[in-house]
Amino acid sequence: KAGVTQTPRYLIKTRGQQVTLSCSPISGHRSVSWYQQTPGQGLQFLFEYFSETQRNKGNFPGRFSGRQFSNSRSEMNVSTLELGDSALYLCASSLGVRETYEQYFGPGTRLTVT
Amino acid sequence: GENVEQHPSTLSVQEGDSAVIKCTYSDSASNYFPWYKQELGKRPQLIIDIRSNVGEKKDQRIAVTLNKTAKHFSLHITETQPEDSAVYFCAAPAGGTSYGKLTFGQGTILTVHP
Repeated sequence: KAGVTQTPRYLIKTRGQQVTLSCSPISGHRSVSWYQQTPGQGLQFLFEYFSETQRNKGNFPGRFSGRQFSNSRSEMNVSTLELGDSALYLCASSLGVRETYEQYFGPGTRLTVT
Repeated sequence: GENVEQHPSTLSVQEGDSAVIKCTYSDSASNYFPWYKQELGKRPQLIIDIRSNVGEKKDQRIAVTLNKTAKHFSLHITETQPEDSAVYFCAAPAGGTSYGKLTFGQGTILTVHP
């Protein structure tokens, strides 16, 4: 099976702009979780989507949003970018049903905000 | 919510030695504990996990132990090799059973010297 893929791999944006990141899960996986990774804060959960519905949400401002499509692909959007949004954004997919907990990560999108 | 503490933050060993990384968690309802390995510039890779109905799990040179009473779990790597050098993260599901929402420890930088 192909692994989790993310596009684009690298992005450079300017403060105030918005950005959309994409994640394609492993075939058959219905859950997609998004995480932000920074040197100072480590890996922090953003949100999880399952069957096109947000199932869990982390403690990030409303500028961070996401969605999931019927084929389980997911996108996350960050509006009004701030310098502090520079990070590696990782998505992880899993089957998402009870007793199947394993999450598999994509390669990430490296976002730099200038 | 779940809080995961990981120690030590850095660990340096000689090739062939054993390495142990410990994590504590706060939510007694948590019942799934994965460990991820992240090499420089790579995605986090799930290397082993344990569920609360098991006290220990082994996979070749790595093992994980769980003490539910004390709310801590540990990663053990035996006969370390230079390719084991990486950042290791422990995690637990936030809220005990929100499996798509993992809370991660701060990470341990393991360096194995040849």
